[in-house]
Amino acid sequence: GAGVSQSPSNKVTEKGKDVELRCDPISGHTALYWYRQRLGQGLEFLIYFQGNSAPDKSGLPSDRFSAERTGESVSTLTIQRTQQEDSAVYLCASSSLAGGNTDTQYFGPGTRLTVL
Amino acid sequence: AQTVTQSQPEMSVQEAETVTLSCTYDTSENNYYLFWYKQPPSRQMILVIRQEAYKQQNATENRFSVNFQKAAKSFSLKISDSQLGDTAMYFCAFMRILDSSYKLIFGSGTRLLVRP
Repeated sequence: GAGVSQSPSNKVTEKGKDVELRCDPISGHTALYWYRQRLGQGLEFLIYFQGNSAPDKSGLPSDRFSAERTGESVSTLTIQRTQQEDSAVYLCASSSLAGGNTDTQYFGPGTRLTVL
Repeated sequence: AQTVTQSQPEMSVQEAETVTLSCTYDTSENNYYLFWYKQPPSRQMILVIRQEAYKQQNATENRFSVNFQKAAKSFSLKISDSQLGDTAMYFCAFMRILDSSYKLIFGSGTRLLVRP
């Protein structure tokens, strides 16, 4: 089956503009995560969705960042009024959380965001 | 708060040789999961190996094995018979079982170069 997909692969925007990043999780995976990876660094957790439960937004760096997910399908991460410090690779992951090894997170290829 | 430390920013190994990547973590909890992920230039995060803290036996996946020292909070990755395709960034990651979001906490990564 298909893995996690993300679009666009690359996005260049001007400071102050809004951007939307998309993630399609693996079919049947109820949990979805967004992470940010700044150049040369590890991944930082941003937000987590699990089914219809309230999302865990504890990693969002500011109120310019928001994310939505409808049911157990696609998620969009929106960054409003982008700043140069938002430049990073944004990675999405999904997992089934059905117990055993199925809580392993599977990652998409990421979206590289460049804010000029 | 949990932290993950990878003290080797870069490592180099000759093809067919063995290399060990270090990882230490800090937690007061007894049950958790540990992971090694590989990130080649394609940006795709690929799961290499996982270890449940309650298991005493070190996890092994083909040429990849870990040395899990729970008391020392150490989780090193050994790559045997290194191949050119092993060239990548390697990230160690920690997951709290008590964390309802199961988010991953990553180290800063080790860049591994396999020389022909």
